Amino acid sequence: DSGVTQTPKHLITATGQRVTLRCSPRSGDLSVYWYQQSLDQGLQFLIQYYNGEERAKGNILERFSAQQFPDLHSELNLSSLELGDSALYFCASSPSSGRPYNEQFFGPGTRLTVL
Amino acid sequence: GQQVMQIPQYQHVQEGEDFTTYCNSSTTLSNIQWYKQRPGGHPVFLIQLVKSGEVKKQKRLTFQFGEAKKNSSLHITATQTTDVGTYFCAAGQGGSEKLVFGKGTKLTVNP
Repeated sequence: DSGVTQTPKHLITATGQRVTLRCSPRSGDLSVYWYQQSLDQGLQFLIQYYNGEERAKGNILERFSAQQFPDLHSELNLSSLELGDSALYFCASSPSSGRPYNEQFFGPGTRLTVL
Repeated sequence: GQQVMQIPQYQHVQEGEDFTTYCNSSTTLSNIQWYKQRPGGHPVFLIQLVKSGEVKKQKRLTFQFGEAKKNSSLHITATQTTDVGTYFCAAGQGGSEKLVFGKGTKLTVNP
């Protein structure tokens, strides 16, 4: 158990819909990262938040957005869903040690299926 | 953007054989991390390498960072069935905390 929690574990929805994925980082971690993992694309970095502010952005679609709240939990919003958005979405958190490269602790993931 | 190439994509070995996965970049890396993802699980941090030519060992696992800091390898001696999973390298990009992940090497071990 990494200490990072993600809900829900599974999500099945239809094309065109909107969903929200939730992540709670490890106690004390200020950084939250979101990744998308599909079969042929490996782990794709989407976005990072640090203490409530966006810190780095990856290949995140405009239909996707995220935020980190004052209690440090984060939500990833996916809208106008397409079949190709079906994937495993991981949240990770890292220690707030101040080093530039921290190890990341991954949550169990949310499996999204778009029908 | 920075890309990290990882080979091979798949590796099947007999239990007891050795296994190596390689991670290569065209640019100098600040650091490299290795993660393991068991089937149905989530990535778990194994190690971080920062210095040129660095070698670190964890029991049967040996991690190396190239002298030019453009490549890295993970070697497993005498594989066991518990080594099954996908091994990812991840490289730090500049001064940000963003990590670029390789596509992973999926290891299967036949008992």
